Amino acid sequence: AQSVTQLDSHVSVSEGTPVLLRCNYSSSYSPSLFWYVQHPNKGLQLLLKYTSAATLVKGINGFEAEFKKSETSFHLTKPSAHMSDAAEYFCVVSESNAGNMLTFGGGTRLMVKP
Amino acid sequence: EAQVTQNPRYLITVTGKKLTVTCSQNMNHEYMSWYRQDPGLGLRQIYYSMNVEVTDKGDVPEGYKVSRKEKRNFPLILESPSPNQTSLYFCASSPQSGGDTQYFGPGTRLTVL
Repeated sequence: AQSVTQLDSHVSVSEGTPVLLRCNYSSSYSPSLFWYVQHPNKGLQLLLKYTSAATLVKGINGFEAEFKKSETSFHLTKPSAHMSDAAEYFCVVSESNAGNMLTFGGGTRLMVKP
Repeated sequence: EAQVTQNPRYLITVTGKKLTVTCSQNMNHEYMSWYRQDPGLGLRQIYYSMNVEVTDKGDVPEGYKVSRKEKRNFPLILESPSPNQTSLYFCASSPQSGGDTQYFGPGTRLTVL
C-alpha cells in the first residue's frame, strides 16, 4: 500500500530565504511522485513530477525536488522564497499497480513573511 | 480553453436530500476522479474512472456514487447526504492514468446540515 507523510503542517520563512517542504512516502513499487500547490480559494496546480527519469526534478516558479529512494523522500525546495509562494503544498504518490489511485499527503501550509 | 468545470461551486443542503455534483472536461481525457479535501487530511480520492463505463473505488467511496456514461462527464452522486460529507470536493482529469499530471476543477464546497 502506498502512503505519504508531509512532515510539517506549517512552514514559515522570510522573503528571500530558502524553502524546504519535506515529504516521505511509502510504496511497494516504483512510484510516480508529484508536488501540487493550492493557492487560497483555488484548485490545485502541478508544480513538478517524478516518473523514474532524473532524480532531481525541476518545476515551475523555481521549485525543485529530489527523489531519494534510499531515504524514501521527495522534499521540495526553492532557493529564495517570494511572497506569491504562500500557499498550501501537497506531496502525492501514484503506483501503477495500485490501480492508478493517487494518495495525497496532509499538506504543508507555507507562510512567507516580508 | 482547456479546463475542468464543476457545478455547483457552493451548495448547502439538508441530510438525506439527494444531490449531484457535475464535472466536465474538454480535453478528451481518459482518466477522471473525485476527491474530497478536509483540513489536515489533504485530498482523499473517492472514485476514479479509467474510461467510459469503467469506475473504481478510491480511499473513501462510502456514501458516494459515480457514473461515466460519456468521456467528458463524471458526476458525483450523494444519494443520502450526511453531515460528515460536508467538505470541499474536487474533480480532476488526466490524459491516461493517475500517473499523469492531474488537471483540477475549481472545487465545490458542500455543506450538509
